[in-house]
Amino acid sequence: QKEVEQDPGPLSVPEGAIVSLNCTYSNSAFQYFMWYRQYSRKGPELLMYTYSSGNKEDGRFTAQVDKSSKYISLFIRDSQPSDSATYLCAMSRRGSTLGRLYFGRGTQLTVWP
Amino acid sequence: DGGITQSPKYLFRKEGQNVTLSCEQNLNHDAMYWYRQDPGQGLRLIYYSQIVNDFQKGDIAEGYSVSREKKESFPLTVTSAQKNPTAFYLCASNSGVGYNSPLHFGNGTRLTVT
Repeated sequence: QKEVEQDPGPLSVPEGAIVSLNCTYSNSAFQYFMWYRQYSRKGPELLMYTYSSGNKEDGRFTAQVDKSSKYISLFIRDSQPSDSATYLCAMSRRGSTLGRLYFGRGTQLTVWP
Repeated sequence: DGGITQSPKYLFRKEGQNVTLSCEQNLNHDAMYWYRQDPGQGLRLIYYSQIVNDFQKGDIAEGYSVSREKKESFPLTVTSAQKNPTAFYLCASNSGVGYNSPLHFGNGTRLTVT
């Protein structure tokens, strides 16, 4: 079993829809949780970064962490065609450098106009 | 503009040849990393360096080598011992200090070995 599981999709939604992306993990030592967005042939760019359980909002994006269920989510409100990309969840262990990340496979999202 | 520069963007090599991928950063970050991305798989850590002249193996270091002679530079050599070298290689960096410094990535080098 991989330490981080993420449904690869693809996910296709109309413009304006609310998108929900999810990851589960098995290692209870994970304490820092990130979401990256990756456009085709580009490097990932950091979208959201959260520590431990709870919600964090940034504009149209909300990241949610439920450590008791080992489940993290990213919600995108009012989705736009420019949100079409692959979304990667990533996490880091307690006591580890934040660069030492464990990634999900990524979910490919298409938002059509 | 601060950032991470990876070159070249595309690289083609014959099997049995070593190849070196370049990574330079002007973010004044102490720590640098190499990840590999394959279709349908998450990124996997190859090597990382938290300080000049020091580096550690990641999860898939076999067949790769690195050096860290300068803070700004962290080249990756893919040797002929790497069984499946064709992949998208991503270099990243962070300040390496504390827990409030997420990774920043370059735009990758796509290596094809035939």
